[in-house]
Amino acid sequence: KNQVEQSPQSLIILEGKNCTLQCNYTVSPFSNLRWYKQDTGRGPVSLTIMTFSENTKSNGRYTATLDADTKQSSLHITASQLSDSASYICVVPAPGNDYKLSFGAGTTVTVRA
Amino acid sequence: DGGITQSPKYLFRKEGQNVTLSCEQNLNHDAMYWYRQDPGQGLRLIYYSQIVNDFQKGDIAEGYSVSREKKESFPLTVTSAQKNPTAFYLCASSITTGADSPLHFGNGTRLTVT
Repeated sequence: KNQVEQSPQSLIILEGKNCTLQCNYTVSPFSNLRWYKQDTGRGPVSLTIMTFSENTKSNGRYTATLDADTKQSSLHITASQLSDSASYICVVPAPGNDYKLSFGAGTTVTVRA
Repeated sequence: DGGITQSPKYLFRKEGQNVTLSCEQNLNHDAMYWYRQDPGQGLRLIYYSQIVNDFQKGDIAEGYSVSREKKESFPLTVTSAQKNPTAFYLCASSITTGADSPLHFGNGTRLTVT
C-alpha cells in the first residue's frame, strides 16, 4: 500500500480561481514533506518543503500547510494561471533510509481560460 | 545553466532489444537516481548512486542496469529482461542522499517498446 495518497486525482478550474490539493501520508516517524510541480512531458520541480515544526509556508501563489497530528498536507493555489496546469506530487522520505522516498501519484490540475 | 540533461526525449525500440538512456548532470551532485513513472502511479526507484563507481538497486531494478564511471554521468540500460519497459524514465540528482536534499530532475525519456 502506498504510504502517500493524494486527492483529487484530477481537477479543472477556471483561470483566476483558487484550488486546494490534499496529501495524506502514513510514513512514521515523519521528517519532512515536499511538493513538486511537474509540467507535462517534463521532470518535477520542487515547490516547497514542510518540516515537522512548520504549519504553513508560501511560495508565491502556492501555500502549503501541514498537520503532523492528522498526517495531512495541502497545497493551495491562489488566483490560478494557465501556467499552473500541471501535475502536483507529494513526497515523503521513508524513515531510516536516506535514499528512499514515497511518492504520491499526483493531482493533475487543468486551468482553463 | 546547471542542470540535468536526459537524451533522447523519445525512444522507440523493438521487443528483445537492449536500449541505453543517457543522463548527464553539471550540478556537481554526488547522488544520482533513476525513476520510472507510469500513469496513475507514484515514481518508483530503479537504481541510485551515492558516489562514483558505486550504485544500489532500488525497488524495481529487475531488467535494468546502470553504471557510474563519472560523477556527471549515470546511464540506464533497459534490457530485454524487463517485462514491461514502456514508460517515462526520469533521472535525478541531489547534493547528497539525505532526506532534506531536493531532487533535481531531468526532463525525462519516453521509451516505447513494441
